[in-house]
Amino acid sequence: KNQVEQSPQSLIILEGKNCTLQCNYTVSPFSNLRWYKQDTGRGPVSLTIMTFSENTKSNGRYTATLDADTKQSSLHITASQLSDSASYICVVSATNAGKSTFGDGTTLTVKP
Amino acid sequence: GAVVSQHPSRVICKSGTSVKIECRSLDFQATTMFWYRQFPKQSLMLMATSNEGSKATYEQGVEKDKFLINHASLTLSTLTVTSAHPEDSSFYICSASQGPIDQPQHFGDGTRLSIL
Repeated sequence: KNQVEQSPQSLIILEGKNCTLQCNYTVSPFSNLRWYKQDTGRGPVSLTIMTFSENTKSNGRYTATLDADTKQSSLHITASQLSDSASYICVVSATNAGKSTFGDGTTLTVKP
Repeated sequence: GAVVSQHPSRVICKSGTSVKIECRSLDFQATTMFWYRQFPKQSLMLMATSNEGSKATYEQGVEKDKFLINHASLTLSTLTVTSAHPEDSSFYICSASQGPIDQPQHFGDGTRLSIL
C-alpha cells in the first residue's frame, strides 16, 4: 500500500532559525515527490517538485532533498520568517497510478 | 504561472440546499481536475478525479449521487453538494493538472462550506 509519512507532526521555532521537515514514503514505482505549503484557509502552493534523478532542489529559502534509495525526502527552511508559519505537505506520485498519495503534513509555527 | 480559481470562497446555507462550487484553470488547459475535502488540522482527502469529457472517478466511501462532479470543458469543473447537511460542512479544494499524474497539480484557494 502506498503511504507517505511526515514528521514531526508539528514544530515551533523562533524567527530566524532553520528547520528541517521529513517525509518517508513507500510509493512505488516512484514518479515524483512534491512539497506544498498550505496557509490556513488557503489552497496548497507548490514549493518544489523532484523526479527520481534529482537529489536537491531549491526555491528561495526552501531546499528539498530526495534519496530515492531510502525513499526519504526533507524540506529545509533557512532563516525562517513569521510568514513561513503554515502546514507543509509532502505528496508522492507513482508512475502507474492516477492519483497522488498525500502525507498528513507538518504544521510549522514561527514565533517572533 | 498556472492559476486555478475556485468560487465561491465561502458558502453558508441552510440544510437541504444544494451548493455548486466552480473550479477554473485560468491560463492553462486542465485535462484532469481533482476534488478534495479537508477537515480541520487534517490533510487533504481526495474525493474524486475527473477527466474532461468523461465521468468522474470517485474514491471509496464518497457518494457520487451526493457529490456531483462535472468536467465539461478543459478549463472548468464543478462540484455540486446535493441536499447538503451539517455533516457536509468542510473545506473543499480543487486542483487542476495539464496531463498525467507526473504533471504538477495547481490548487485553488478552497471553498469553506458551512451548512446550518
